[in-house]
Amino acid sequence: QSVLTQPPSVSGAPGQRVTISCTGISSNIGAGYDVYWYQRLPGTAPKLLIYGSTYRPSGVPDRFSGSKSGTSASLAISGLQAEDEGDYFCQSYDTSLSGWVFGGGTKLTVL
Amino acid sequence: QVQLVQSGSELKKPGASVKVSCKASGYTFTSYAMNWVRQAPGQGLEWMGRINTKTGNPMYAQGFTGRFVFSLDTSVSTAYLEISGLKAEDTAVYYCARDLVRGIYNWFDPWGQGTLVTVSS
Repeated sequence: QSVLTQPPSVSGAPGQRVTISCTGISSNIGAGYDVYWYQRLPGTAPKLLIYGSTYRPSGVPDRFSGSKSGTSASLAISGLQAEDEGDYFCQSYDTSLSGWVFGGGTKLTVL
Repeated sequence: QVQLVQSGSELKKPGASVKVSCKASGYTFTSYAMNWVRQAPGQGLEWMGRINTKTGNPMYAQGFTGRFVFSLDTSVSTAYLEISGLKAEDTAVYYCARDLVRGIYNWFDPWGQGTLVTVSS
């Protein structure tokens, strides 16, 4: 299993808001390391959505937002659109493993 | 534009070797390290390690030492992942991803499209 824990799936209707959690431990998110979120749409490579836990790169709609508290982080997607359907992964650094760690990924379904 | 293009899918028998390529374009290849990430069927992403494209020095994550080798051909802006002694559990999609540092932040961008390696007799 993955070092960071994400729900396997979430779903929502168009226009709704969903959140995806990413839970770590004291050696990664809890140690203060930033969280990064990636979106992988069907047939495409992963793309950065959030860096530094809360910041959006230019070009990413403000419907996407990130937060972090303690040993967990969350990605919120508001105003769900059909084109948001895909997989979402969180990433952080782990000091015990001396390397990057990822979540298991969450499949977002837009109903 | 900045992009990474990986080699195509591979079907290999147990015990064989495979070499996956990742060709970079749109930027100075030796200015950014290259990461390798694996996703086995039904599993999450796993960071395999990275290679310093300036020095060629590789760093392997836990669980990816011994049979996994990162290499470069800077003359053609290409990074390689070679896996020897293939096992069924090596069946996965392998991604290369450029290491991007902006101030105190460090992320992977862009990613290659992924290469499916299937190990089956």
